Amino acid sequence: NAGVTQTPKFRVLKTGQSMTLLCAQDMNHEYMYWYRQDPGMGLRLIHYSVGEGTTAKGEVPDGYNVSRLKKQNFLLGLESAAPSQTSVYFCASSQIRLAGVGEQYFGPGTRLTVT
Amino acid sequence: GENVEQHPSTLSVQEGDSAVIKCTYSDSASNYFPWYKQELGKGPQLIIDIRSNVGEKKDQRIAVTLNKTAKHFSLHITETQPEDSAVYFCAASIGGSYIPTFGRGTSLIVHP
Repeated sequence: NAGVTQTPKFRVLKTGQSMTLLCAQDMNHEYMYWYRQDPGMGLRLIHYSVGEGTTAKGEVPDGYNVSRLKKQNFLLGLESAAPSQTSVYFCASSQIRLAGVGEQYFGPGTRLTVT
Repeated sequence: GENVEQHPSTLSVQEGDSAVIKCTYSDSASNYFPWYKQELGKGPQLIIDIRSNVGEKKDQRIAVTLNKTAKHFSLHITETQPEDSAVYFCAASIGGSYIPTFGRGTSLIVHP
């Protein structure tokens, strides 16, 4: 199993450009998440999905959109990139266990720079 | 909502020493407490977790303790090695919620 994969690994954008980050998981997990990681800020949730065709806002959703058309894929879009979106982006997936939420499996990250 | 505080933000130890990282949470309904290790350039990876019906859990050199009354939980690493150097995150999840709340992370540096 590849686990959680992210594409691309690195990207440099100019202000105002758009792009899509792709996350794929092969563990048949229901739940998927997008986080951003900035120095000293930990992991902040952007959007999440509890199943195919569903999405919901997290802590910092402004400037981002997501889609989950297939269970194994979760896409994060930036419509008009801003320098404040320079960050490392992580995708994660998880499966609920009998006693509640289970562990999250994280991808390797995408380092995005907006100039 | 849940709030998780993590301390210290940086911890420097000598190889062979023990390291302790502490987290506090605010919502007594939280029932799942994972710890993740993030090595440089990689995504976080679960190293140990504990549920609210257990007070302590060990896995070789790492252990986690939970005090539900005080609403805090700790990660203990004994006989630290240079490869333990990483950023460690704690998290807390409320039963039935899909969303864990993370602490801000602790950068552990183990000096050879």
